[in-house]
Amino acid sequence: KNEVEQSPQNLTAQEGEFITINCSYSVGISALHWLQQHPGGGIVSLFMLSSGKKKHGRLIATINIQEKHSSLHITASHPRDSAVYICAVPPGGSRLTFGEGTQLTVNP
Amino acid sequence: EAQVTQNPRYLITVTGKKLTVTCSQNMNHEYMSWYRQDPGLGLRQIYYSMNVEVTDKGDVPEGYKVSRKEKRNFPLILESPSPNQTSLYFCASSRTGSNQPQHFGDGTRLSIL
Repeated sequence: KNEVEQSPQNLTAQEGEFITINCSYSVGISALHWLQQHPGGGIVSLFMLSSGKKKHGRLIATINIQEKHSSLHITASHPRDSAVYICAVPPGGSRLTFGEGTQLTVNP
Repeated sequence: EAQVTQNPRYLITVTGKKLTVTCSQNMNHEYMSWYRQDPGLGLRQIYYSMNVEVTDKGDVPEGYKVSRKEKRNFPLILESPSPNQTSLYFCASSRTGSNQPQHFGDGTRLSIL
């Protein structure tokens, strides 16, 4: 079993819809990362959080440490949000372990 | 501009011919790391470095070497590349470790024939 599991693997939405991507992990962690990878391949860091909730524009990330679960929400989705969203955790030492990613497609 | 620079961006080469992928960051970050990304497997960590002369294995270190002689540079060396090392490679850096925001390079697409 992977240390980090994401769901769904693929998600198609209509413009304007509310999107939720989930991440569950099996190890104790000090922080959790949400990353975005656009079709061109580049990866950018969206959030790093260790408790509670963070918001940046239309993106919201939450984490529940007790349940070992995090969610990434996108409000009022737009075609430019189409990308792969990746969850990552440091499982111990200074390593980093990634989920397989969620391919999001937002249609106009 | 703060950035992580990888070179080359694309490389097609043959089995057994030694190659080096360079990675440089201009943010004075202590932590640097290499990842490979493969379809169906996602991103996997190859090696990481906590500081100059301090390196450690990630999840998939076999067939790779790294060095950290200067803080800004963290090259990835494939001494005898094989076709199963065909992949998309990313370098990343952060201020102090894997529990800090990560800054990624643009990626290097390697094809080993």
